[in-house]
Amino acid sequence: AQSVTQLGSHVSVSEGALVLLRCNYSSSVPPYLFWYVQYPNQGLQLLLKYTTGATLVKGINGFEAEFKKSETSFHLTKPSAHMSDAAEYFCAVTRLSYNQGGKLIFGQGTELSVKP
Amino acid sequence: NAGVTQTPKFQVLKTGQSMTLQCAQDMNHEYMSWYRQDPGMGLRLIHYSVGAGITDQGEVPNGYNVSRSTTEDFPLRLLSAAPSQTSVYFCASSYGTLGSNTEAFFGQGTRLTVV
Repeated sequence: AQSVTQLGSHVSVSEGALVLLRCNYSSSVPPYLFWYVQYPNQGLQLLLKYTTGATLVKGINGFEAEFKKSETSFHLTKPSAHMSDAAEYFCAVTRLSYNQGGKLIFGQGTELSVKP
Repeated sequence: NAGVTQTPKFQVLKTGQSMTLQCAQDMNHEYMSWYRQDPGMGLRLIHYSVGAGITDQGEVPNGYNVSRSTTEDFPLRLLSAAPSQTSVYFCASSYGTLGSNTEAFFGQGTRLTVV
């Protein structure tokens, strides 16, 4: 069973437009949620994470995400896209259950293209 | 500050050959893991380790072996390479272990082609 689902393998936006990348998770306990970004031919780096506390999380490069427990979602947004945002974005979760910790499980990834 | 270092960056193997992908971290992290990245499938966990001398299987462990003799190193061995193991391999480490809420640090990846 898929534990993290990213809706849309490719998203294309114009420069200056809103970026919305969708992520839904399934977990039997309150999850820890992450967004990572991968630029071409590089490793992954952390954009932001939700552990506990405030449900709106701000990350690097102007990105933010909101944890919505009722919708089991953790969508990533940025008000105004920049050409440098073109990359692949991965949603990930740990703590799927009380006896399944320590494993970082990834979604399928969403490739973001930014048009001039 | 090196972080997580993977070698080699690129490798071509013939079917049936064996090899070891190296991974080293200098952050004194207890938790290390190996992933493979394939188009449309995200990153899938191969093996992981919660400390020296302790390893466990992830989602796709078949065809791979690991060991963890030191905190710093976590090599991944391909026993008999198959074309299905053509992929990009990432090593990651983090401070936390079970139920971790801490950031994972990734290496630059090893692009492996099996012909």
